[in-house]
Amino acid sequence: SQQGEEDPQALSIQEGENATMNCSYKTSINNLQWYRQNSGRGLVHLILIRSNEREKHSGRLRVTLDTSKKSSSLLITASRAADTASYFCAKVSGYALNFGKGTSLLVTP
Amino acid sequence: DAGITQSPRHKVTETGTPVTLRCHQTENHRYMYWYRQDPGHGLRLIHYSYGVKDTDKGEVSDGYSVSRSKTEDFLLTLESATSSQTSVYFCAISDGVNTEAFFGQGTRLTVV
Repeated sequence: SQQGEEDPQALSIQEGENATMNCSYKTSINNLQWYRQNSGRGLVHLILIRSNEREKHSGRLRVTLDTSKKSSSLLITASRAADTASYFCAKVSGYALNFGKGTSLLVTP
Repeated sequence: DAGITQSPRHKVTETGTPVTLRCHQTENHRYMYWYRQDPGHGLRLIHYSYGVKDTDKGEVSDGYSVSRSKTEDFLLTLESATSSQTSVYFCAISDGVNTEAFFGQGTRLTVV
């Protein structure tokens, strides 16, 4: 499989807590991207981190990339019920954009 | 929102019939992708296009073909639909391999 693999598969937390999701991949990358999907809808891009970057921030999101370990993590700080969704990492291989299986995040009030 | 439209949004078809799904964009983006999404499998790449008449296979291309005769349209054809192709199909577009992709709203296909 060319997919990145996220873990955990499912995560349940309370509002205000932080949520951390991880993504591993097998081959070299130019960049790694994170997307969010609300139930039954198309994916929405969250953040892109290039292979020469180690950390990137966007609002309450923080993404790290460790190319030596072929892994990335997405941290959502001070989570809200509206953050409930599935989160996917995606990597480019040639011209193909491949996704993992995703992490399902549930944030309860 | 990016100008990307999938049609039809829902379809029920019989086993053995050909089915064509259409992805239409108004963004003039070079790259277009077809995915299927199934529980427990995430999004799996079926085919993609990196230019007019330039296409390649993804991870799960068996039983599917694509065509891109103009920039704005990317067609996915199930040559002879099977029940295992019941899924939600998503189209995506991007302007470059190092830029974000935009997704359509999906097509729910049921093969009976």
